Amino acid sequence: DTGVSQDPRHKITKRGQNVTFRCDPISEHNRLYWYRQTLGQGPEFLTYFQNEAQLEKSRLLSDRFSAERPKGSFSTLEIQRTEQGDSAMYLCASSQRRTGQETQYFGPGTRLLVL
Amino acid sequence: KQEVTQIPAALSVPEGENLVLNCSFTDSAIYNLQWFRQDPGKGLTSLLLIQSSQREQTSGRLNASLDKSSGRSTLYIAASQPGDSATYLCAVNNQGGKLIFGQGTELSVKP
Repeated sequence: DTGVSQDPRHKITKRGQNVTFRCDPISEHNRLYWYRQTLGQGPEFLTYFQNEAQLEKSRLLSDRFSAERPKGSFSTLEIQRTEQGDSAMYLCASSQRRTGQETQYFGPGTRLLVL
Repeated sequence: KQEVTQIPAALSVPEGENLVLNCSFTDSAIYNLQWFRQDPGKGLTSLLLIQSSQREQTSGRLNASLDKSSGRSTLYIAASQPGDSATYLCAVNNQGGKLIFGQGTELSVKP
């Protein structure tokens, strides 16, 4: 168990550029979540997958955001035409669906700064 | 719509003190509740998970309680240490899988 990993850890981009983040969950976990956290706030849910199926998307996830988990393993989160308001920490978490005991384990996050 | 509130937003205590962090939620139909720790600029570390059928969970110097009927959870930290300084986040799972977080309590333990 190597934990949840995210890449890159930091990303600086100019407004209008596209960025893509990757998350590798704990290997036996079938659920994968994306959250966004801004300074001084708790994380906000963006979307989650069970295996390769995207089960829920937040209204925060505008048309510029897309997430995939093509083989039910790693996931990517792409932001097109970035805006300064997209600057935040993007957190990925994974879990194994078990009744009542679904602990979510978080990765170190990708910090995005849009100039 | 579930809302989670944590009070206080910040807390400073001297080393060795016992302390309680509070979390309240508006919808009592929860699946479970998790407490996390977050160090500055880092990801979240899971501390404790309480299932909806449980009243409390303990891990070392940490004890978390859950009262669904009143929409409250507390995190008790015994004999606080400077290494406990971090932001503590409470999150509720309403069976949809996603977690709904409070804004966190920033704890500072002074030597």
